[in-house]
Amino acid sequence: GAGVSQTPSNKVTEKGKYVELRCDPISGHTALYWYRQSLGQGPEFLIYFQGTGAADDSGLPNDRFFAVRPEGSVSTLKIQRTERGDSAVYLCASSLSGTFGYTFGSGTRLTVV
Amino acid sequence: AQKVTQAQTEISVVEKEDVTLDCVYETRDTTYYLFWYKQPPSGELVFLIRRNSFDEQNEISGRYSWNFQKSTSSFNFTITASQVVDSAVYFCALLNSGNTPLVFGKGTRLSVIA
Repeated sequence: GAGVSQTPSNKVTEKGKYVELRCDPISGHTALYWYRQSLGQGPEFLIYFQGTGAADDSGLPNDRFFAVRPEGSVSTLKIQRTERGDSAVYLCASSLSGTFGYTFGSGTRLTVV
Repeated sequence: AQKVTQAQTEISVVEKEDVTLDCVYETRDTTYYLFWYKQPPSGELVFLIRRNSFDEQNEISGRYSWNFQKSTSSFNFTITASQVVDSAVYFCALLNSGNTPLVFGKGTRLSVIA
């Protein structure tokens, strides 16, 4: 596609529920990144894929968070047993070569009530 | 370790004033890249500029200019003759060479008042 697409744009869920957030990167971009942005903060790194494999998942806060990219294109961020503290905007970005910068999607605003 | 500090949390200026957003970075690498992104109220991060560590030339693009000084580890951003449409949160970010991810500062919220 022309840009990075994230769905849904907004998600409200109850505490304890499971959610999936989807990212469709720019066609041909091999690198895909997930970030989390809390109110008033800068984006914080969660996980990075190069192709199908997670090259760096050091930013995932705990084992409730998991992400996949099975075919090297679309990625899904999965959060189990959501907590109110998970409420944030989740940003996805893709890149042909990371050193040239990333193209970000509009994000998914997750609210856990 | 990499770190980006944007000391100014919020800045408010009157339209047509010039404004400078500060960015100080920390890295042990000799090869690295610096970025500025704009985040308007719509939420999307918009790329503004990329600069590599070997190029200390200042850059001007229209009303925007960037001052990169390795001696002070700073990469400051100036908007000349600010406009209301410049109102946004601006992020400075650092990328080391290799496969490390982009690291962002906490951002500076700029409000330009008509």
